[in-house]
Amino acid sequence: DTGVSQDPRHKITKRGQNVTFRCDPISEHNRLYWYRQTLGQGPEFLTYFQNEAQLEKSRLLSDRFSAERPKGSFSTLEIQRTEQGDSAMYLCASSPSAADTQYFGPGTRLTVL
Amino acid sequence: RKEVEQDPGPFNVPEGATVAFNCTYSNSASQSFFWYRQDCRKEPKLLMSVYSSGNEDGRFTAQLNRASQYISLLIRDSKLSDSATYLCVVLSGGYNKLIFGAGTRLAVHP
Repeated sequence: DTGVSQDPRHKITKRGQNVTFRCDPISEHNRLYWYRQTLGQGPEFLTYFQNEAQLEKSRLLSDRFSAERPKGSFSTLEIQRTEQGDSAMYLCASSPSAADTQYFGPGTRLTVL
Repeated sequence: RKEVEQDPGPFNVPEGATVAFNCTYSNSASQSFFWYRQDCRKEPKLLMSVYSSGNEDGRFTAQLNRASQYISLLIRDSKLSDSATYLCVVLSGGYNKLIFGAGTRLAVHP
């Protein structure tokens, strides 16, 4: 499968714990995006990378959230001190360049108890 | 006001019906427009891009009216497999992110 992959697919954690998600984009896609989707809403932009550089962060990305793409390939999204409001589907997407189609991974569904 | 607004539905239609979804966007600098389809608990998948001249892909027709900042999707001869949420999507003026509407739910019944 040469599409975008995400791991884990599901994560259940207790409030206050840290969690980390991984995204592997389509090979040779320079751009990698993170979105968050809550029930009944469309995905909302969190941040994006051009190669290894993080170029934009949404106001939704509080200081408890950090994302990295150290070698310009896979990316990680970490949430520290999780809160119940962090429960959502976290989607990763990649594209060859800025104006190209973004292809989404299957998402990581986070439940914070 | 949300940047991209859609009627949430649901639209409940019989097989074979024609159904139309509308969407408005607020940023006149938006450059590109799309319809994505999302099945329950799955990721969004690109259905089609939307061009000012209008474009058609089989049973699906998309239209863009830049002056009114309005996007539409028409589905003809609905199939059971068309049941999904349809997301109206705008690429931000800086080409940096997709801005999604909340989605319109379609349920096609026998």
